[in-house]
Amino acid sequence: DFQMTQSPSSLSGFVGDRVTMTCQASQDINKYLNWYQQKPGKAPKLLIYGASTLETGAPSRFSGSGSGTQFTLTISGLQPEDIATYYCQQYDHLPPVFGPGTKVDIQ
Amino acid sequence: QVQLQESGPGLVKPSQTLSLTCTVSGASISSGGNFWTWIRQHPGKGLEWLGYIYDSGSTFYNPSLKSRVTMSLDTSKNHFSLELSSVTAADTAVYYCARAPTGHCSTSSCYALDLWGQGTLVTVSS
Repeated sequence: DFQMTQSPSSLSGFVGDRVTMTCQASQDINKYLNWYQQKPGKAPKLLIYGASTLETGAPSRFSGSGSGTQFTLTISGLQPEDIATYYCQQYDHLPPVFGPGTKVDIQ
Repeated sequence: QVQLQESGPGLVKPSQTLSLTCTVSGASISSGGNFWTWIRQHPGKGLEWLGYIYDSGSTFYNPSLKSRVTMSLDTSKNHFSLELSSVTAADTAVYYCARAPTGHCSTSSCYALDLWGQGTLVTVSS
């Protein structure tokens, strides 16, 4: 079965920190990967698509990179409003499954 | 401004069929080039992709749901629907509808859920 994994499962940083989380696919997915941000009690929001393209309106401190099986989401300058769970989703294979998420907190 | 809104019963009895509707406002559901999608989230858990229905009416469902799921489009009412049969407590979740426009990306392959409903909690209990 095709699987997505994310690490770490949770992380904590200070305001202004650069934080990085990773997403790994069990098979090559080229650059067909999205990142979503879900704040507590809210619906997810698209942050990045195509592994590295920032969604219109998303803050520029978010960036994505990677291809193949390894991907990274970076927040350059963590802000209090970034407290959320971040999910990756591949769309190279059907079904377009999500990763288990990385929960981000402020120290 | 395009918006999606889920609606349906918040409580369903075990073995019955869960039925939800997602109403699209601000745009026509038949405008073309969209994967109308359902996702759910069990309490305190991650996101589970359930399936989509394309503008043409073609569908793809998560194999994990086997034959329990059906999705449909109603262009006259500008909404799309989800039916999940033979529900159990394991189907208790927040259900989201979402849109993935094929033209969202510059590449030939694109599936980015750029618009979501607010979600609706469905509890399966007698």
